[in-house]
Amino acid sequence: QQPVQSPQAVILREGEDAVINCSSSKALYSVHWYRQKHGEAPVFLMILLKGGEQKGHDKISASFNEKKQQSSLYLTASQLSYSGTYFCGTDQGGKLIFGQGTELSVKP
Amino acid sequence: GEEVAQTPKHLVRGEGQKAKLYCAPIKGHSYVFWYQQVLKNEFKFLISFQNENVFDETGMPKERFSAKCLPNSPCSLEIQATKLEDSAVYFCASSPRGDPGYEQYFGPGTRLTVT
Repeated sequence: QQPVQSPQAVILREGEDAVINCSSSKALYSVHWYRQKHGEAPVFLMILLKGGEQKGHDKISASFNEKKQQSSLYLTASQLSYSGTYFCGTDQGGKLIFGQGTELSVKP
Repeated sequence: GEEVAQTPKHLVRGEGQKAKLYCAPIKGHSYVFWYQQVLKNEFKFLISFQNENVFDETGMPKERFSAKCLPNSPCSLEIQATKLEDSAVYFCASSPRGDPGYEQYFGPGTRLTVT
């Protein structure tokens, strides 16, 4: 089952914060977050496995709710380099099923 | 190698022609995955391998698509008799394990254009 991401797109000014959500009607085994810039490969950000888990590095962090049906990606004090399309993916027997993506644009 | 390598970067084929794409996984990674990305965003899983064995092929349109991972050779994805709808970027990814919770490392992709 494909996870649903929201919002579909967001425009930020440099320094602003953003939250991207990824949800499913069923409990997810894990959530993988990737960022893809135009014309490039998806780049891994982080994986969350456990309900209630939170992870982060630099100013990008993510959480996985207790029921494992929703994950959120938090981008704080956004930089121009954060621009791209963010995907959440759920692992189903090894293969990743991706959400439809959230396009993030950070303007100066 | 330390990165997943894919060749060619771009491939143009006339409708009905054959297309063959290659992927070299990261050394030591025993799992290889193929994904198709169409319309800029939508990813579709095609097939995965554990070493040279098919692990999951539930996403493969079997009538025209085939894939192999042979020992000591790059993995390949072949499309016989390409159709316009096959135009997409094909990504290969590799992982050290097939268990959930392991990162998949993506290659740069092959852009296939069918005219």
